[in-house]
Amino acid sequence: GENVEQHPSTLSVQEGDSAVIKCTYSDSASNYFPWYKQELGKRPQLIIDIRSNVGEKKDQRIAVTLNKTAKHFSLHITETQPEDSAVYFCAASITGNEKLTFGTGTRLTIIP
Amino acid sequence: NAGVTQTPKFQVLKTGQSMTLQCAQDMNHEYMSWYRQDPGMGLRLIHYSVGAGITDQGEVPNGYNVSRSTTEDFPLRLLSAAPSQTSVYFCASSYSRGTSAGLSFGPGTRLLVL
Repeated sequence: GENVEQHPSTLSVQEGDSAVIKCTYSDSASNYFPWYKQELGKRPQLIIDIRSNVGEKKDQRIAVTLNKTAKHFSLHITETQPEDSAVYFCAASITGNEKLTFGTGTRLTIIP
Repeated sequence: NAGVTQTPKFQVLKTGQSMTLQCAQDMNHEYMSWYRQDPGMGLRLIHYSVGAGITDQGEVPNGYNVSRSTTEDFPLRLLSAAPSQTSVYFCASSYSRGTSAGLSFGPGTRLLVL
């Protein structure tokens, strides 16, 4: 089955700086890569996703890049703000939301 | 719409007891799934269903049963609780397995097995 590795497990950045979280996956058939944000005590929520026919996708301060050859994808958050503090999960699957395999999560802390 | 609802919010069980975690959604979602979340291990898929009457195993199915008799409900049964099943359980749903609309998660059930 699919295996998704996520790094780093914790990340602290100054407010206004950029944050990058990286994930690798094992199954070359995977073609859907979403990112979820989970605030403390809350449920995970989708923030951005990318499919394998696209190399990069942006949504305001958030962007995701995908390198299918190397089987890795990354989340980039620019101009970080205190409300970006949360745990972020990457995931991968062959068929959309079916059998999504999640990474182990990155706890992002924004330092005011 | 209430979205995805889960009951109970918190439960304490003794080893060997059984219980059912309830999950319901009012969005007419075809796809429903159960994940468990443990510190440092992310979200791991227990069981999933692509429609009423159809269920399948995920990554960590042992010790759990599911059924899908209606589109709305997807209960998770713990047959004989073990301390290793102490976790936070999330139910999640979406319109179809292929959509990129994202999973809608429930609020979670925190389970403690003594």
